Amino acid sequence: AQSVTQPDIHITVSEGASLELRCNYSYGATPYLFWYVQSPGQGLQLLLKYFSGDTLVQGIKGFEAEFKRSQSSFNLRKPSVHWSDAAEYFCAVERDDKIIFGKGTRLHILP
Amino acid sequence: DGGITQSPKYLFRKEGQNVTLSCEQNLNHDAMYWYRQDPGQGLRLIYYSQIVNDFQKGDIAEGYSVSREKKESFPLTVTSAQKNPTAFYLCASSTSGSGADTQYFGPGTRLTVL
Repeated sequence: AQSVTQPDIHITVSEGASLELRCNYSYGATPYLFWYVQSPGQGLQLLLKYFSGDTLVQGIKGFEAEFKRSQSSFNLRKPSVHWSDAAEYFCAVERDDKIIFGKGTRLHILP
Repeated sequence: DGGITQSPKYLFRKEGQNVTLSCEQNLNHDAMYWYRQDPGQGLRLIYYSQIVNDFQKGDIAEGYSVSREKKESFPLTVTSAQKNPTAFYLCASSTSGSGADTQYFGPGTRLTVL
């Protein structure tokens, strides 16, 4: 069965520091992969998605993610975080035209 | 502005009562979805609809019902059969229902059953 694992429940970084959020998936073929962000008490917003081609995907708000087939990973990165990046981040994979979400990583930003 | 609206933002009900959550979209999307979110659990799919007058069960449909009589609307009823209904409910829509489509989310409704 397809699944998505986000190993870190919480991550804390200082403002201006770099960020990497981890995501691993289990699936036989090349999946459709997504990263969404959720601000407290709000809905989700798509940051970026990967279908095929270039394994480094650029998204909104300065985020990027890299698909690594050999590691079954799709980690999210940002070179310098801002206080407004504090939110919960969800990795997701497509299965049978439905989206399977990971359990999320909550990002905390230190001033 | 185009988007998805969910109302109300907060909803309180007594145990044993059915309650209906509203979801409306003006994006002209064919597909709509209902998710449930619990702390530390991510999002779980309750029901989805890829076209008017048709819908399918998701992973946790028991205790819920939906209708899709209009393209713009996809209301969710939480019935008294749902054993643990207190949660944050999110509605989403996408262009066609393909897994490759971006899903656009509403702001959510927090349901508390007393």
